[in-house]
Amino acid sequence: NAGVTQTPKFQVLKTGQSMTLQCAQDMNHEYMSWYRQDPGMGLRLIHYSVGAGITDQGEVPNGYNVSRSTTEDFPLRLLSAAPSQTSVYFCASSYSNSRYGYTFGSGTRLTVV
Amino acid sequence: AQSVTQPDIHITVSEGASLELRCNYSYGATPYLFWYVQSPGQGLQLLLKYFSGDTLVQGIKGFEAEFKRSQSSFNLRKPSVHWSDAAEYFCAVGADSGYALNFGKGTSLLVTP
Repeated sequence: NAGVTQTPKFQVLKTGQSMTLQCAQDMNHEYMSWYRQDPGMGLRLIHYSVGAGITDQGEVPNGYNVSRSTTEDFPLRLLSAAPSQTSVYFCASSYSNSRYGYTFGSGTRLTVV
Repeated sequence: AQSVTQPDIHITVSEGASLELRCNYSYGATPYLFWYVQSPGQGLQLLLKYFSGDTLVQGIKGFEAEFKRSQSSFNLRKPSVHWSDAAEYFCAVGADSGYALNFGKGTSLLVTP
């Protein structure tokens, strides 16, 4: 079992560029989430999904888009990168509601210059 | 909405000493509570979780946590800390109707020889 796989691990973007952070899980989990981690801020929820075709916004959704066409994949799109989006991004998945906890990927470190 | 407070940003303990990391939550009903650990440059690993039953829960790596409803707390403990326990620790809360976890801002643990 690979668990939750995130690609790429590192990325440098120029301001205004767009990109997609990939997230895939092989555990047949219905719930998936994207978080960003910034020093002293903990993890903040960007977007989440409770199943294929169903997504919703979290605490800090501005500047990010998501879609969920399959159970396995939950990509995060940065439409026009800004330096404020420099962060470490984590994807996580869970079998059902939050009582089961979430399994996290190893993260993507993004720098926007 | 549920929230989590970790009062201590940094904690330093000597190797072999006991450890207690504090976590306070805010939620109307019985929450789902979690402790995660993050080693430098790594993703988050689940240490333990509570959602019902015995208020003292055992986790991996010799950690335990106690749910105290009257104090709205879920403190993490370890009787004897090892140098390899140096990491960032996050407390998180979920809800039965929730789709993701809310995280505290983390406590950084330093272990001295």
